[in-house]
Amino acid sequence: GEDVEQSLFLSVREGDSSVINCTYTDSSSTYLYWYKQEPGAGLQLLTYIFSNMDMKQDQRLTVLLNKKDKHLSLRIADTQTGDSAIYFCAERWGDYKLSFGAGTTVTVRA
Amino acid sequence: DTAVSQTPKYLVTQMGNDKSIKCEQNLGHDTMYWYKQDSKKFLKIMFSYNNKELIINETVPNRFSPKSPDKAHLNLHINSLELGDSAVYFCASSQDSGTNTDTQYFGPGTRLTVL
Repeated sequence: GEDVEQSLFLSVREGDSSVINCTYTDSSSTYLYWYKQEPGAGLQLLTYIFSNMDMKQDQRLTVLLNKKDKHLSLRIADTQTGDSAIYFCAERWGDYKLSFGAGTTVTVRA
Repeated sequence: DTAVSQTPKYLVTQMGNDKSIKCEQNLGHDTMYWYKQDSKKFLKIMFSYNNKELIINETVPNRFSPKSPDKAHLNLHINSLELGDSAVYFCASSQDSGTNTDTQYFGPGTRLTVL
């Protein structure tokens, strides 16, 4: 693995786009994931991207992967109050292993 | 129809006690995991079982012992609890780690507080 880094906090106005950034270190990572954790809840898989892709779009979510720079981002369009949560970036390395970032706390303000 | 369930949701206990956390998945997955999330929200894998066989055992004190009676269950037993064991423990499962995405599905977490 195994080091995955994310900025810790992001504040965004309702209706704007949110962009959460992540960097990872293992160039052999096969899959990269974004998970969402709402207060007091478990982790919910939002989306994932295979390492040979540059971009993946899923409704309001767009994942961009720059494999050369080992940089992953998650863009949330038209951010809503329900998007307030902690977002974790994770990379899969080896078999079975996921390494998680520390999580980015997204706060949506009216 | 909870996919990955854990019990209990909250566990408050005294130092030195022994406690267990249970996890069950009804997804038909072959692999199950235990993660620890500390107070700073950092998630770290502890164990993983594939078809009841231990495949990942990270640097975890041997006071922690996972047990998998069948591939749908992975329980975590903790002996001689210490203050530093206070955390949220997440169970997860995935189909397998072969050539597919190995997407892991997480349970709701068990918040353990050691007094």
